[in-house]
Amino acid sequence: DADVTQTPRNRITKTGKRIMLECSQTKGHDRMYWYRQDPGLGLRLIYYSFDVKDINKGEISDGYSVSRQAQAKFSLSLESAIPNQTALYFCATSDRAGYTFGSGTRLTVV
Amino acid sequence: AQSVTQLDSQVPVFEEAPVELRCNYSSSVSVYLFWYVQYPNQGLQLLLKYLSGSTLVKGINGFEAEFNKSQTSFHLRKPSVHISDTAEYFCAALPRGGSNYKLTFGKGTLLTVNP
Repeated sequence: DADVTQTPRNRITKTGKRIMLECSQTKGHDRMYWYRQDPGLGLRLIYYSFDVKDINKGEISDGYSVSRQAQAKFSLSLESAIPNQTALYFCATSDRAGYTFGSGTRLTVV
Repeated sequence: AQSVTQLDSQVPVFEEAPVELRCNYSSSVSVYLFWYVQYPNQGLQLLLKYLSGSTLVKGINGFEAEFNKSQTSFHLRKPSVHISDTAEYFCAALPRGGSNYKLTFGKGTLLTVNP
């Protein structure tokens, strides 16, 4: 099993719909992150969580919310999806040794 | 806060040629530095990292990078590339110590290796 698992891998949704992207990790790390990747822009941080009770906004949190259900689970929600949220989304976890990324969720909003 | 600048958005090279992908960083504190690779339709894979010690870091697949503190650079090099090295490469910085434990990425360099 992968250390960081993201579901779904691909999703097409309509404008205005609510959608949740899920992430779970088996590394036992406290810190988890959601990044968004767009062509030519690299990866940008949406939200991060340093433990179950500590959730923080990243540089592009508008239009997104998160939930840290347990140490191992960190989900990202789009309350009302819009086309410019079409992107590749990565979940990650970290400790002092470094980061581990999931395989990504490709989201298309039509 | 820190920022990472990858100086080339695209680098086309021929197979077996040497390549250098350039990365500069800016930070008010000391940082750890990383290079990640993303093959087409795949996730991120760590190529190499600089934490401390020798400024020349060797990674997987024959890549190496040199940390230059005075020039705030961390350029990635490979002496002879293969078709299979075609991918997007990301440089990233992470502050040392403290509570600001967030990885900042550059915008990526697309390496295309042509036959």
